[in-house]
Amino acid sequence: SAVISQKPSRDICQRGTSLTIQCQVDSQVTMMFWYRQQPGQSLTLIATANQGSEATYESGFVIDKFPISRPNLTFSTLTVSNMSPEDSSIYLCSVAETYTEAFFGQGTRLTVV
Amino acid sequence: QQQVKQSPQSLIVQKGGISIINCAYENTAFDYFPWYQQFPGKGPALLIAIRPDVSEKKEGRFTISFNKSAKQFSLHIMDSQPGDSATYFCAASSSNTGNQFYFGTGTSLTVIP
Repeated sequence: SAVISQKPSRDICQRGTSLTIQCQVDSQVTMMFWYRQQPGQSLTLIATANQGSEATYESGFVIDKFPISRPNLTFSTLTVSNMSPEDSSIYLCSVAETYTEAFFGQGTRLTVV
Repeated sequence: QQQVKQSPQSLIVQKGGISIINCAYENTAFDYFPWYQQFPGKGPALLIAIRPDVSEKKEGRFTISFNKSAKQFSLHIMDSQPGDSATYFCAASSSNTGNQFYFGTGTSLTVIP
């Protein structure tokens, strides 16, 4: 199993600002995923981040709003840019080396005021 | 388009009772069906999983029932305990989906002492 550390665990941000969320994995992984979980709702995939290539974004999510970095096989960041209250959510980092093993970080609870 | 549909959205069960959460899928290419448990402030964690070649899998008080012809699967929690109070997500994946998991909308379970 993979142990995933996410920082920060929570933050309150002013609208119009940006927040960068960090995800550190205790082992080298090829595929990392970023999800958004809005209150009482399911996990919505934002993008897939593979080391050495550009992130692949799902419909409804764009790079300008959610830029992702993947500098190596153990680390990734997700930035939520120009935030509005609608961005208030839990953001989750996940890794899945096979289609039978998905592990999650503890999440970042973001509140935009 | 929700690839995995989950019900109910919330569930209240007396201690010692049976909790049942249902999921349905459309994509017949899915061949791995995990259930995740999420406590407040934590990321989802794998609880139990099943492949479509078996109709039931049991681990302690947790059982998955799988109906391939109906494209449905369910989680049964026997002798439900207050410590089981959490949000439960069903999911589906396939070797053809690039390690991507498709999650249900989640069920908030409350077990009353």
